[in-house]
Amino acid sequence: NAGVTQTPKFQVLKTGQSMTLQCAQDMNHNSMYWYRQDPGMGLRLIYYSASEGTTDKGEVPNGYNVSRLNKREFSLRLESAAPSQTSVYFCASAPTANTEAFFGQGTRLTVV
Amino acid sequence: SQQGEEDPQALSIQEGENATMNCSYKTSINNLQWYRQNSGRGLVHLILIRSNEREKHSGRLRVTLDTSKKSSSLLITASRAADTASYFCATAENSGGSNYKLTFGKGTLLTVNP
Repeated sequence: NAGVTQTPKFQVLKTGQSMTLQCAQDMNHNSMYWYRQDPGMGLRLIYYSASEGTTDKGEVPNGYNVSRLNKREFSLRLESAAPSQTSVYFCASAPTANTEAFFGQGTRLTVV
Repeated sequence: SQQGEEDPQALSIQEGENATMNCSYKTSINNLQWYRQNSGRGLVHLILIRSNEREKHSGRLRVTLDTSKKSSSLLITASRAADTASYFCATAENSGGSNYKLTFGKGTLLTVNP
């Protein structure tokens, strides 16, 4: 009963490096989300995918790209990492975009 | 800017007391949800209230929604030390057609002292 799985759990990048955060869900959900969480800022929506084949920008999309590879997987890419992208990243999925969301355990990313 | 705004930012109470957290939001919503986050972990869904509902209960949780004031409150009754966590409200807003996005507030840190 995996739910939402994020990989990796921890990552340290140097400024300018690129990487992809992976997210997969096994609940046959249509909607998927990427958030970042910084101290005192709560969760901010980066990108979301209301259904397979669609992606939309959230509140803080700059510096990120996403791919909804299939119904199960939604990846987040940092093309050129910056220290301001140091954060905890959460992926979530939901049956539809206006129902309860299920969260992964997060990826703690540090950019030095 | 973020859609939801919780109040207070932090709340400290004694075990057995009730805890009330408030959430205000800015735009029309389809529903409002409350989540809980234990330190450093993923969020867990607590309760969802739709825009045409005014009050909902789940165990020791009571949620109210006032769409005219664009506000909601979460009441946890008879609190326990295990309720210590951060609590977030989230709003589902229509983003065009049948698409919705789920946006969160900054959260309330609840500490329940034994």
